[in-house]
Amino acid sequence: SQQGEEDPQALSIQEGENATMNCSYKTSINNLQWYRQNSGRGLVHLILIRSNEREKHSGRLRVTLDTSKKSSSLLITASRAADTASYFCAPPGGSNYKLTFGKGTLLTVNP
Amino acid sequence: EPEVTQTPSHQVTQMGQEVILRCVPISNHLYFYWYRQILGQKVEFLVSFYNNEISEKSEIFDDQFSVERPDGSNFTLKIRSTKLEDSAMYFCASSSESLASNTGELFFGEGSRLTVL
Repeated sequence: SQQGEEDPQALSIQEGENATMNCSYKTSINNLQWYRQNSGRGLVHLILIRSNEREKHSGRLRVTLDTSKKSSSLLITASRAADTASYFCAPPGGSNYKLTFGKGTLLTVNP
Repeated sequence: EPEVTQTPSHQVTQMGQEVILRCVPISNHLYFYWYRQILGQKVEFLVSFYNNEISEKSEIFDDQFSVERPDGSNFTLKIRSTKLEDSAMYFCASSSESLASNTGELFFGEGSRLTVL
């Protein structure tokens, strides 16, 4: 089954800086989702980008998708300490009935 | 805002005991999922459920596991005879649309931590 591979595995920045996380996947998709997980908590859906979209914004989040390179990026602008979390991309997991999550990017935003 | 609720938040059990983890998905959702996360590891898919039957299950979801939607609101995961390696956080999720659609997103509960001694 397909899962996204996030890069880097860990990212540490100062509050106010931007954070960029990347995702690569293997097979063709119709959409790709990004999720956040605060330590020990459930995953929270952030944004879904369709395969015919190149870029999508939601508040301080900007997601890009390049289907030719099978890659996506998540940019968080003006980061806050509360953005500290793990971030996962989720392409469809090889079926219509599951999403498969990779190891994620652990983002630490230092105050 | 509607949310997925899970009980118990933490359960400690002895190896070999049966455990039932309960979930109340968002009320108008039709697709239900269980995931688990062993401490420090990835969130792993266990099973998806739609129209009162399993849509897909992973290799982890062996004969020791079962799911049920006993009424119109609850979705349960049963582990028949727990093993030490079943210790994990178990997350329930639901969605209103199929993941094949372009609006299918998962809403997760806060998880049930299972500790098997």
